[in-house]
Amino acid sequence: SQQGEEDPQALSIQEGENATMNCSYKTSINNLQWYRQNSGRGLVHLILIRSNEREKHSGRLRVTLDTSKKSSSLLITASRAADTASYFCATPLTSMYSGGGADGLTFGKGTHLIIQP
Amino acid sequence: SAVISQKPSRDICQRGTSLTIQCQVDSQVTMMFWYRQQPGQSLTLIATANQGSEATYESGFVIDKFPISRPNLTFSTLTVSNMSPEDSSIYLCSVGDSATNEKLFFGSGTQLSVL
Repeated sequence: SQQGEEDPQALSIQEGENATMNCSYKTSINNLQWYRQNSGRGLVHLILIRSNEREKHSGRLRVTLDTSKKSSSLLITASRAADTASYFCATPLTSMYSGGGADGLTFGKGTHLIIQP
Repeated sequence: SAVISQKPSRDICQRGTSLTIQCQVDSQVTMMFWYRQQPGQSLTLIATANQGSEATYESGFVIDKFPISRPNLTFSTLTVSNMSPEDSSIYLCSVGDSATNEKLFFGSGTQLSVL
């Protein structure tokens, strides 16, 4: 079953604006990750935030994590047309396997972001 | 990082046939993961393939329908057997990051349409 639930499901904004996507999850985690998928192809890892971190930055990306609310947000600042993609949050399947690590990830439903030029 | 070559990139198949998807990694990895993404949906883990052992399947997926091979540490195949239109999806292979074993790297996916 899906662990993460993103909202909104779809988001359309003007180029240059900021885009915010949210993710909620159900079980305890040791990290949460965000991925981008262009045109239904392979996913690209964007950023990982650990359970003991509250905020992390990478270029135009800002991720927050609130473990008390079991939620995370991804902010893309100064959006560009090339940011048009689907964005997924993902959490480790550590409940399924021992030892943690990349024992597979479970993905949320995703937010489809469209940047209007 | 890992570079993953997945083929075919797309195929159109007839009902009742089988398709084998290949995944080649440019480095040795312990675990490889096969995901399915149905149209407009998120990714669902099909199975985890470890070299030298049987693949571990997630709930709802069985070996007879999705047999997996893992002959060495850089290669795996997923077969979609006795296909029906409901199998039309994107199939993705992925591997864990060798440094931290936390994040995943993905192949470019196989877009399968079953008529």
